[in-house]
Amino acid sequence: NAGVMQNPRHLVRRRGQEARLRCSPMKGHSHVYWYRQLPEEGLKFMVYLQKENIIDESGMPKERFSAEFPKEGPSILRIQQVVRGDSAAYFCASPTSTDTQYFGPGTRLTVL
Amino acid sequence: QKEVEQNSGPLSVPEGAIASLNCTYSDRGSQSFFWYRQYSGKSPELIMFIYSNGDKEDGRFTAQLNKASQYVSLLIRDSQPSDSATYLCAVKGDSNYQLIWGAGTKLIIKP
Repeated sequence: NAGVMQNPRHLVRRRGQEARLRCSPMKGHSHVYWYRQLPEEGLKFMVYLQKENIIDESGMPKERFSAEFPKEGPSILRIQQVVRGDSAAYFCASPTSTDTQYFGPGTRLTVL
Repeated sequence: QKEVEQNSGPLSVPEGAIASLNCTYSDRGSQSFFWYRQYSGKSPELIMFIYSNGDKEDGRFTAQLNKASQYVSLLIRDSQPSDSATYLCAVKGDSNYQLIWGAGTKLIIKP
């Protein structure tokens, strides 16, 4: 996964709980993309961040979802009050100067 | 609305044959084109990228770009069962930083 780290790899939450997904981009990189992939569907862009700044959050649902990338530490995608429809694989990707994106292993969220 | 279209498949190809995957895009200003492979339950991994019209070869893989016709294809020679996966096409325009993703083509290589 080109050094892109995500954790946890699997996350189980009950409806109404909060989910926190973490992503560390490739070493020395300061931008991340977050994507969601529902079962048997394509990748859906959610948000693009650089450290301490949200560049584009046009793909984020208006409610319950938020993302941050602090100066220190990983990027975090936060889902409040999860519902069954949030069950999906969430990937982060680390872009390079040539626009290539390298993906982390993903977090599989299951909402019971 | 910028779009990238792929045939969802499944595309079934016998082992040893050439697999041909196609992708069309709507944004004529697109500059960069990417092919990713995704195994079931795994994350997408980059196969290759292409920027210029024509062919680009890397081992058994060849990407073909035709900007005038707005399509990009991926050829896999000597297909192996391990090539069975979903292949994602992604395109970047010149106006922003987002990649626009196709829904993917499922490829099955039959032994």
